[in-house]
Amino acid sequence: NAGVTQTPKFRVLKTGQSMTLLCAQDMNHEYMYWYRQDPGMGLRLIHYSVGEGTTAKGEVPDGYNVSRLKKQNFLLGLESAAPSQTSVYFCASSRGYNTEAFFGQGTRLTVV
Amino acid sequence: GENVEQHPSTLSVQEGDSAVIKCTYSDSASNYFPWYKQELGKGPQLIIDIRSNVGEKKDQRIAVTLNKTAKHFSLHITETQPEDSAVYFCAASSLMDSNYQLIWGAGTKLIIKP
Repeated sequence: NAGVTQTPKFRVLKTGQSMTLLCAQDMNHEYMYWYRQDPGMGLRLIHYSVGEGTTAKGEVPDGYNVSRLKKQNFLLGLESAAPSQTSVYFCASSRGYNTEAFFGQGTRLTVV
Repeated sequence: GENVEQHPSTLSVQEGDSAVIKCTYSDSASNYFPWYKQELGKGPQLIIDIRSNVGEKKDQRIAVTLNKTAKHFSLHITETQPEDSAVYFCAASSLMDSNYQLIWGAGTKLIIKP
C-alpha cells in the first residue's frame, strides 16, 4: 500500500519549458489535490478534482493545467515555466471533503 | 474569502514542557479545522482535527480547542518530546465554488530543546 506517489521528486526547468507532474493514489479516493508550498506561506491550492473526469480551480491556478482521466491519477502541467513557479509541489488525496488528506512526498521544482 | 493566520511562526520549548499554537480564521461558515505535522522532506500528515459542533478534542498528548465565537482554534501538545520537532500547520475549510476546500496557515516551526 504505497498511498500517494509523486513523480518526479526533483526537477530543474528552464524558463519557457513545459513539464507534467504525475500523482498516483491507491486508496480509491474520490478527491485529489495539487498544492504548492512556498517558504512562510503554507500550502496553497492550485487545482483539485472531486472525481474521475472532473477538475476545478483552486486559489492559484494561473499557469497550470490538470487532468484526471483515471480515478487513481491526477496530472499537473506547467505550460510555460516561469521562475515564480519555483516551489515544492504536493499532491494529496482524500475520501471526500472535510476528511483526512493524505500527501505525497513532494516534488521540488526549480525554474531557472 | 477565508483567511487563516497562525502564530507563532517559530516556537522553542524545553523537552517535557507544553507547546501551544494558535490560529484565527475569518469565514464564520468554516466547519472543519485540521492540524497537520510536516517533518523535514516529507508531506504533511494529519495529527488531529475538530469540527464546528465540538469545542475540544483530545488524543493522548495532543488536544485542539475551538472557539467559534472568537473564530480561533489552538493546538496543545503536552509533555513534549524530541520527535515532536516539526512544522505544524492549521487549516480551516472554506466553501469555494460549491466545494469545501482547506485554507492553510503559514506554519509554526516547533523546536524541542533537550
